[in-house]
Amino acid sequence: ETGVTQSPTHLIKTRGQQVTLRCSSQSGHNTVSWYQQALGQGPQFIFQYYREEENGRGNFPPRFSGLQFPNYSSELNVNALELDDSALYLCASSLVRGGGEQFFGPGTRLTVL
Amino acid sequence: DQQVKQNSPSLSVQEGRISILNCDYTNSMFDYFLWYKKYPAEGPTFLISISSIKDKNEDGRFTVFLNKSAKHLSLHIVPSQPGDSAVYFCAASPNYGGSQGNLIFGKGTKLSVKP
Repeated sequence: ETGVTQSPTHLIKTRGQQVTLRCSSQSGHNTVSWYQQALGQGPQFIFQYYREEENGRGNFPPRFSGLQFPNYSSELNVNALELDDSALYLCASSLVRGGGEQFFGPGTRLTVL
Repeated sequence: DQQVKQNSPSLSVQEGRISILNCDYTNSMFDYFLWYKKYPAEGPTFLISISSIKDKNEDGRFTVFLNKSAKHLSLHIVPSQPGDSAVYFCAASPNYGGSQGNLIFGKGTKLSVKP
């Protein structure tokens, strides 16, 4: 059974640029959630996708957007990058939508200069 | 305003002894609680969960206790092992299986188990 994978591992961008992060969910999981983890903080919920539809969104501006594909993999897009967007971005997949057990990937470390 | 609080940033315990990690929450609508463990350069790993209809759940060396009236939960690790050294996150869900999909995390407690 393959776990959650994310790419790339690390990324450096400059302010104002756009970035796309990718996630492959665990086999059999139809739900993907994205979280942002700043240094010294717990993960903060960005949004969740269930069967290609958004299923809840946290307190993040519209320049954070996402997609889920028919194979349940997902993308997180961030436009007009700001310095405060520097963080670890975590993807998690689950068997059920909502707030049950979610299984996390290793994350993508984004640095905005 | 933090809805899930882990007030101890760090905890140091001797190998073989009990580790107790604490978590408080403010929202009485939370109905599902989870603990995750995180090693450096890895994503959080699910450890154990508990539904609000229970007050205890055990899985091997890990036990989670829930006190709904006090809005408090704790994770007990017995016996503690050096490999348990990691950051532990408490998380709560206001909507298990529902339409919101979010887990709300505390800031974490760094556990160090000394040989």
